[in-house]
This record gives sequence, structure tokens and C-alpha cells, in this order.
Amino acid sequence: AQKITQTQPGMFVQEKEAVTLDCTYDTSDQSYGLFWYKQPSSGEMIFLIYQGSYDEQNATEGRYSLNFQKARKSANLVISASQLGDSAMYFCAMKNTGGFKTIFGAGTRLFVKA
Amino acid sequence: GAVVSQHPSRVICKSGTSVKIECRSLDFQATTMFWYRQFPKKSLMLMATSNEGSKATYEQGVEKDKFLINHASLTLSTLTVTSAHPEDSSFYICSAIRDSSYEQYFGPGTRLTVT
Repeated sequence: AQKITQTQPGMFVQEKEAVTLDCTYDTSDQSYGLFWYKQPSSGEMIFLIYQGSYDEQNATEGRYSLNFQKARKSANLVISASQLGDSAMYFCAMKNTGGFKTIFGAGTRLFVKA
Repeated sequence: GAVVSQHPSRVICKSGTSVKIECRSLDFQATTMFWYRQFPKKSLMLMATSNEGSKATYEQGVEKDKFLINHASLTLSTLTVTSAHPEDSSFYICSAIRDSSYEQYFGPGTRLTVT
């Protein structure tokens, strides 16, 4: 069975510093995709970054980067130069390539301090 | 980017009534749409997968007679909560995917309160 684990219910980071949000996954499939979403208090789900299981390079999107360690089955999100607007809930998710279902982790709430 | 809308954004209804939530893909044709439910401070729970022109596929534990899903066109899926009870109060989010796209496009969500 597939599973996504986010072990940090809450994280604090000082403004302008970097923060890493942990995500580990479990799947027997060889081909899959990993996602990170941001959910602010308004409730909308904002897509941040995607990593394919066969991608050799770690994905980066602006201040977001995904530290993909396939052997460890981890896909940590790194946010550089944190901003107050980064305070939100962050979800790690996984989908099998060619499949439809996406499963989500429990989420990590990030608090950015001024 | 692709846009998915949901209507209404908030709804309050009385116990025993039914409420319909619409999910529309505004600038693309969505072959598949998903309905999620999210309890406060919890993760998204997939309720069902909706394909245009066919019956929805419900996840285990989701009552198909209570949560009616209709995917009448490539741009519209509806979720009807029938005979709503206070325990149905939740945040409902839809998402849509295009062919060959890995990305889900989420709607802004609908907050349902049953009194």
C-alpha cells in the first residue's frame, strides 16, 4: 500500500532563514510522482513543486526545492529565505504515473516569525 | 495555469436538506475530477473519482447514496450531499486533471455547515 508520512505537525522558522519540511513515502511502484502543496488559511491548495521518480535532478521552483533521495524514499521540501507569507499548511503528496489517485500526507503547519 | 472554480464557497443548510456543490474547469477539459473532504487541521481525504459520462468511483467508507456525484460534462462535476447532518459539516475540495498532465488543479473549496 502507498503511504506518505510527514512527521512534523508544526515548524517554526525565522523570517529570511531556510526551512526543511520532511516527507517520506512508501510505494512498491517504480514510476511515481511526488508533489508539495501549500494551503493557506483561505483553504485553497496551491501547487508548489513536482518531482518524478525518474528525474535525476532535484526539482526547483524559485525559493522551493525538493531534496529527493530515492533510496531513502524521502522528498523533503526546502524553502529558502522564508517570508511571512509562507506561513501555511504544507502537504506532501504522491501519485503513481499513469494512475489517477493522489494520496496526501498529514501535513506540516509552518509558522514564519518576524 | 488551469483554473478550477467551485460554487458556492460557503453554504449553511439545515439538517435533513440536500446541498449541491459545483466544480468547474474554466479553461480546459477535465477528463477526471476528484472530490476531497478535509476536516479541520487534517489532511485531504479522497472521497471519489469522477470520470465524465460514467459512474463515480467511491473510496471505501464513503456512502455513495449520501454523496451523489455527477460528471455531466468535461467541465462540470457536482457533489450533492443528501439529507445532510451536522457531521457532514466539512471543507469539500474538488480537483481536476487533463489528459497527460501530472498535475491536479484544485478548486478553492466549499465550506459546508449543517445546522
